[in-house]
Amino acid sequence: NAGVMQNPRHLVRRRGQEARLRCSPMKGHSHVYWYRQLPEEGLKFMVYLQKENIIDESGMPKERFSAEFPKEGPSILRIQQVVRGDSAAYFCASSPPAGLTYEQYFGPGTRLTVT
Amino acid sequence: SQKIEQNSEALNIQEGKTATLTCNYTNYSPAYLQWYRQDPGRGPVFLLLIRENEKEKRKERLKVTFDTTLKQSLFHITASQPADSATYLCALDDAGGTSYGKLTFGQGTILTVHP
Repeated sequence: NAGVMQNPRHLVRRRGQEARLRCSPMKGHSHVYWYRQLPEEGLKFMVYLQKENIIDESGMPKERFSAEFPKEGPSILRIQQVVRGDSAAYFCASSPPAGLTYEQYFGPGTRLTVT
Repeated sequence: SQKIEQNSEALNIQEGKTATLTCNYTNYSPAYLQWYRQDPGRGPVFLLLIRENEKEKRKERLKVTFDTTLKQSLFHITASQPADSATYLCALDDAGGTSYGKLTFGQGTILTVHP
């Protein structure tokens, strides 16, 4: 039973380029969460999605960041026109349908470096 | 404002002793609290969840307590081993007790168990 998968594991982008981070949740999980971990800081919630729906994006920066979880395929976190301050580890987590359990299962993360 | 604090940034103990980590919070009314382990370069791994109406939870060498009056959780690892060395994170639900799990994490405590 494969865990949460994220790719790429490492991503290098130059300032102004776009970054696309992918997350495949665990089988049977319908909830996806994205978190960001800046160097020397804790994990910060960004967005919570279900299939084809954004449930809570209160942690997403207002500009340049977007997320989706289409009916088919992985969840995507997209960062347009990246800046050096976007360099961080981005983690995706998934959980089963609401009410069954509340723990979250994390992927290995994508480490984004903006040069 | 809401705040989660883990008592110390780093904790060093001798193998075989009990490690005790503290998580304090203010201005939250969490329905449950979770503890995760994170190793360098990896995503967090779920350890234990305790609900607001539970005082204590155990799993093998792990024990967690939850005091909603003190707004504090204690996480214990008994008979600690060098393999327990990692960063330990506490996390609270931040959604007013609704069924989904938007988690807010503490900064983490780096535990080092010396042989």
